[in-house]
Amino acid sequence: AQKVTQAQTEISVVEKEDVTLDCVYETRDTTYYLFWYKQPPSGELVFLIRRNSFDEQNEISGRYSWNFQKSTSSFNFTITASQVVDSAVYFCALLYGQNFVFGPGTRLSVLP
Amino acid sequence: EAQVTQNPRYLITVTGKKLTVTCSQNMNHEYMSWYRQDPGLGLRQIYYSMNVEATDKGDVPEGYKVSRKEKRNFPLILESPSPNQTSLYFCASSLGRGARTTGELFFGEGSRLTVL
Repeated sequence: AQKVTQAQTEISVVEKEDVTLDCVYETRDTTYYLFWYKQPPSGELVFLIRRNSFDEQNEISGRYSWNFQKSTSSFNFTITASQVVDSAVYFCALLYGQNFVFGPGTRLSVLP
Repeated sequence: EAQVTQNPRYLITVTGKKLTVTCSQNMNHEYMSWYRQDPGLGLRQIYYSMNVEATDKGDVPEGYKVSRKEKRNFPLILESPSPNQTSLYFCASSLGRGARTTGELFFGEGSRLTVL
């Protein structure tokens, strides 16, 4: 079965702390894609990153970085020097075939 | 402006009263899909469509219908809503290439549905 687990339901940090959001996935497919989406308090869903199963290079975009490890089926997301505007629910998602499976989300609160 | 538009944004209805949530995108995307968001469960895919007249079930299709008669529109139909369909619904679209979506989903703003 295809599944995405985000074990951290809620995380609170103080501004400027680094924080890592965990994502573990399950799939039997050899070709798949992994995503992170952000849902700020206003409710819209914002695409952050896509990674395909053949590309295990880590990626950095400003204060955001992603660590994809097929050996542990994980696709973790780190925010460096967090800011209050990073407060949101973050979803990890798996695309196999044409089906998307989302994790339950991690609610991140960054306190000033 | 590129966008996915859902209507209505908020709706309170009663059990058994048929309703339709409309979804329209202006990006000429081939792939469209519907999700419901429930606390602790994340987003679950209801239906998706690869192109006009091509729809398929997602993980939670029971109680829902969809149609794709035009590329830009993908309405979600609840023929006989029940209270367990109370949820936040999102429509999304994505550019498709051949038989695959590129995966980056553009979401509508969401439709909050309450069934009494």
